[in-house]
Amino acid sequence: AQKVTQAQTEISVVEKEDVTLDCVYETRDTTYYLFWYKQPPSGELVFLIRRNSFDEQNEISGRYSWNFQKSTSSFNFTITASQVVDSAVYFCALSDLETSGSRLTFGEGTQLTVNP
Amino acid sequence: DGGITQSPKYLFRKEGQNVTLSCEQNLNHDAMYWYRQDPGQGLRLIYYSQIVNDFQKGDIAEGYSVSREKKESFPLTVTSAQKNPTAFYLCASSNSRPQGIYGYTFGSGTRLTVV
Repeated sequence: AQKVTQAQTEISVVEKEDVTLDCVYETRDTTYYLFWYKQPPSGELVFLIRRNSFDEQNEISGRYSWNFQKSTSSFNFTITASQVVDSAVYFCALSDLETSGSRLTFGEGTQLTVNP
Repeated sequence: DGGITQSPKYLFRKEGQNVTLSCEQNLNHDAMYWYRQDPGQGLRLIYYSQIVNDFQKGDIAEGYSVSREKKESFPLTVTSAQKNPTAFYLCASSNSRPQGIYGYTFGSGTRLTVV
């Protein structure tokens, strides 16, 4: 069955530090999609990135970068030079189309606190 | 602006009462979803609907019911059979086929508390 594991429940850093959020997934499908979402204190989940299983190129968007490695079934998220506004819960999610159709399976989330 | 509207933002329920959470979207999305969020447990799928007048149970459907009479609306009823309903409830929608490729759009959530 599909599964997403975010082993880090809480991370606390000081502003301007780099921080990496880990995500490990399990699926039997060869075609799947991985996502990262940010949940600020307001509660609404905000889409950050989608990556399909055939594209292992790393991606950078401003201070955000993602490292997708199929060999280790990981899709890690790094924030460079963290800021207080980055404080939120971050979720990694998996969509494996053959097994679960349109459903997303979420990890437990990582609470990131960036202190000034 | 297009988006998903959930109401109310906070809801209090007495023991034995049914309550209905509203979810409306104006994104013209085909699929809609209800998730429950508990501290430290991530998001768990309650029900989802890919077309009007059709819906499927998710992982934790017991004690909940839904309807999808209109494309824009997917209300969730928390029945008295749900033994531990206190949680944060999130509604989401998506389009594209197959679903999920472009991710979900989420509402701002409803926090339900049993008193």
